[in-house]
Amino acid sequence: DIQMTQSPSSLSASVGARVTITCQASEHINDYLNWYQQKPGKAPKLLIYSASNLETGVSSRFSGRGSGTHFTFTISSLQPEDVATYYCQQFDIIPPTFGQGTKLDIK
Amino acid sequence: QVQLAESGGGVVQPGGSLRLSCAASGFRFSEYPMHWVRQAPGKGPEWVALISYDGSTKHYADSVKGQFTISRDNSKNTLSLQMDSLRTDDTAVYYCARDREVGATVAYYFDHWGQGTLVTVSS
Repeated sequence: DIQMTQSPSSLSASVGARVTITCQASEHINDYLNWYQQKPGKAPKLLIYSASNLETGVSSRFSGRGSGTHFTFTISSLQPEDVATYYCQQFDIIPPTFGQGTKLDIK
Repeated sequence: QVQLAESGGGVVQPGGSLRLSCAASGFRFSEYPMHWVRQAPGKGPEWVALISYDGSTKHYADSVKGQFTISRDNSKNTLSLQMDSLRTDDTAVYYCARDREVGATVAYYFDHWGQGTLVTVSS
């Protein structure tokens, strides 16, 4: 299975800050990479698909980029409602696999 | 709007069985591949199983192959997961999730999720 490694595991930042999370795949996955947001007690929500495409209805302060094995997810201006755990997921090779998550909170 | 509602979770002893259901509404259920995804406490999500839009194709994670069975009833807009020989490491919240694609194509990612149902395997 493809291993997805996220960094950092946790992150604390101020409101308005620019925040970046990294996801590294153990094998080349082209741009078959998604980002999800999960708030406590809720299901994951798809934010970014195919590395850089914003899901309909999702705030434009979220963005993603990358290809191959290295990917980044950025929040341009952190808001209180962005407190959540963020997961990357590859869907190039079956089984689809997720990263271990990055827990984001407000400083 | 798309709604997915899981049921059937609970506490079961190791070696026991449980059947989960997912009621779908707000979209043409019979046109979409569907998945089960689980999440153990404090861990990232783990894909469990896929069933094609017409039920003809099923794929499983190696960790549940031969142990879990996915099925669907398109006349009742219902997805199911039969879980047998349960182990303590099957303890998780189980989500049903809709595939991004329609018809015979499977994207293996998830644009709508249910609220989840908790399965606890413990003696």
